Amino acid sequence: GAVVSQHPSWVICKSGTSVKIECRSLDFQATTMFWYRQFPKQSLMLMATSNEGSKATYEQGVEKDKFLINHASLTLSTLTVTSAHPEDSSFYICSARPVGTGSYNEQFFGPGTRLTVL
Amino acid sequence: KQEVTQIPAALSVPEGENLVLNCSFTDSAIYNLQWFRQDPGKGLTSLLLIQSSQREQTSGRLNASLDKSSGRSTLYIAASQPGDSATYLCAVFTGGGNKLTFGTGTQLKVEL
Repeated sequence: GAVVSQHPSWVICKSGTSVKIECRSLDFQATTMFWYRQFPKQSLMLMATSNEGSKATYEQGVEKDKFLINHASLTLSTLTVTSAHPEDSSFYICSARPVGTGSYNEQFFGPGTRLTVL
Repeated sequence: KQEVTQIPAALSVPEGENLVLNCSFTDSAIYNLQWFRQDPGKGLTSLLLIQSSQREQTSGRLNASLDKSSGRSTLYIAASQPGDSATYLCAVFTGGGNKLTFGTGTQLKVEL
């Protein structure tokens, strides 16, 4: 149980295009999902917290107009990188917290999406 | 602001050796601490979760301890195997920021 999937697993795009990444909780519902970014040889950095039915909360320094987050259902959150540039190339990982669990409970992580912007 | 540090950054050991990975955090007001494994180019595999009220958790050859007051956790791996080679990350959940803060990671290589 507690499986989170991401699609696509990798994507290559041209500079200036937009890319959408999906995060799905397959066997549980999640009111809260999290989006992280990981640059090579570095740790994960939280980008934003996605709440079902409301606006996402972005971490300091993360441009909300560039990284659009939509959490339209209890099993799906999407991250759209708009007008992507080479510096946006990174490994994007999402996680989900099951409905009914508190902040002290475990988040379940997706397998990540490798974005390369040419 | 919570900061999480892991020492050492990299470690290479011969197969069969017992080893300890260290994690320290600056803000002791945490809800829990997790240890993860990450293989190259892959996502995270959760290894152990320790609630703030707990002192340790065990799973197979892995044992994680937590000393919240001193802001430290250790991950003990017994009888290491080449398959244990990966990057190990610790992360703390801080209620004030309502988020997980990850450490810098320890890259482990277990050699035959």
